[in-house]
Amino acid sequence: TQLLEQSPQFLSIQEGENLTVYCNSSSVFSSLQWYRQEPGEGPVLLVTVVTGGEVKKLKRLTFQFGDARKDSSLHITAAQTGDTGLYLCAGALGNEKLTFGTGTRLTIIP
Amino acid sequence: NAGVTQTPKFQVLKTGQSMTLQCAQDMNHEYMSWYRQDPGMGLRLIHYSVGAGITDQGEVPNGYNVSRSTTEDFPLRLLSAAPSQTSVYFCASSYKGGTYEQYFGPGTRLTVT
Repeated sequence: TQLLEQSPQFLSIQEGENLTVYCNSSSVFSSLQWYRQEPGEGPVLLVTVVTGGEVKKLKRLTFQFGDARKDSSLHITAAQTGDTGLYLCAGALGNEKLTFGTGTRLTIIP
Repeated sequence: NAGVTQTPKFQVLKTGQSMTLQCAQDMNHEYMSWYRQDPGMGLRLIHYSVGAGITDQGEVPNGYNVSRSTTEDFPLRLLSAAPSQTSVYFCASSYKGGTYEQYFGPGTRLTVT
């Protein structure tokens, strides 16, 4: 059973467009992380959110943690080709184990 | 700092062979873990360790062994490889406590024929 579902699984958009990807669960997480992974490399941490309703911005990327701490979203404004990659969310259930989502593979077309 | 290093980068095994995937980190992190990544499945936790001498099972531990004799090293052993173990394996480390933000190695792509 996958605790964290990400949608969409695949997304291909034109450079300059906006997009949102989602990470949903029926479980309550103590914190949630977003990672980006490029081909042939390991995931790299983008952000951690810990408080329900929290919003964090990283340049053109905006991350939001749901009020009930069961879901999160990642919004990218004016996408660039450098945003291409696999985006993974990961939730912590209050212990040292992280549960990763299924991933969203994003392709930005020049 | 080299961060998290993994060797080898690629490996092909025959069914029944054994091998050890190496992982080392130079950040003095207490927590280390092994994940496998398969298409459409995200990352699944195999084994983890919260410090030297302490290991525990993750979501998919069968067919894998680990040990943690030092803070720096956390090898993953496949005792008798099976085709179902064909995957990309990632080692990660983090500080113990807090939000366990993971630092990942570059991965090992393993094919079992």
